[in-house]
Amino acid sequence: KQEVTQIPAALSVPEGENLVLNCSFTDSAIYNLQWFRQDPGKGLTSLLLIQSSQREQTSGRLNASLDKSSGRSTLYIAASQPGDSATYLCAVEYNFNKFYFGSGTKLNVKP
Amino acid sequence: GAGVSQSPSNKVTEKGKDVELRCDPISGHTALYWYRQSLGQGLEFLIYFQGNSAPDKSGLPSDRFSAERTGGSVSTLTIQRTQQEDSAVYLCASRIKNTEAFFGQGTRLTVV
Repeated sequence: KQEVTQIPAALSVPEGENLVLNCSFTDSAIYNLQWFRQDPGKGLTSLLLIQSSQREQTSGRLNASLDKSSGRSTLYIAASQPGDSATYLCAVEYNFNKFYFGSGTKLNVKP
Repeated sequence: GAGVSQSPSNKVTEKGKDVELRCDPISGHTALYWYRQSLGQGLEFLIYFQGNSAPDKSGLPSDRFSAERTGGSVSTLTIQRTQQEDSAVYLCASRIKNTEAFFGQGTRLTVV
């Protein structure tokens, strides 16, 4: 069974801090890994996609890394803002049929 | 449209009734996915379409659930004889193969 684990489940930080969210997966033979954010009552917003041949992707204050051999990905958020408060989801795919989602990290950035 | 569109955004139905949920993917996206998210739970895969065919429908929880896609575009998810445990947010996503997936805002289904 493909398992995706996200740690921590919840995180509260003061505004301006840099932070790291973690995602681990049991099977290293992945095709892609995608990070999403979900605001309460909303759908998922794509943040970054890392293909299996890539080590990292960057978008603005976000940087995602991928280490297939160790089964881990990290999402780094620089200079956090209250608007970053949301649930962050990691999704792994082994073929193009489906994503396997972690249970998410709920982030609260305090002003 | 610019994004994935789902309708209705909210649906309240009586137990035992049939419901249809609609997904309009991003134009040109050949792959389409349905997921559901129950209260406090993670995202559960339901079905994957490539074009009009569904090579993976392994996540459909029972034969009360069915989905189709026509013209390589719009998809409908039908739930027959709804039960209270079907209450959830149903999310649709589309993509071009091996690129990032984009999700709609979801349909919140409440079975009373």
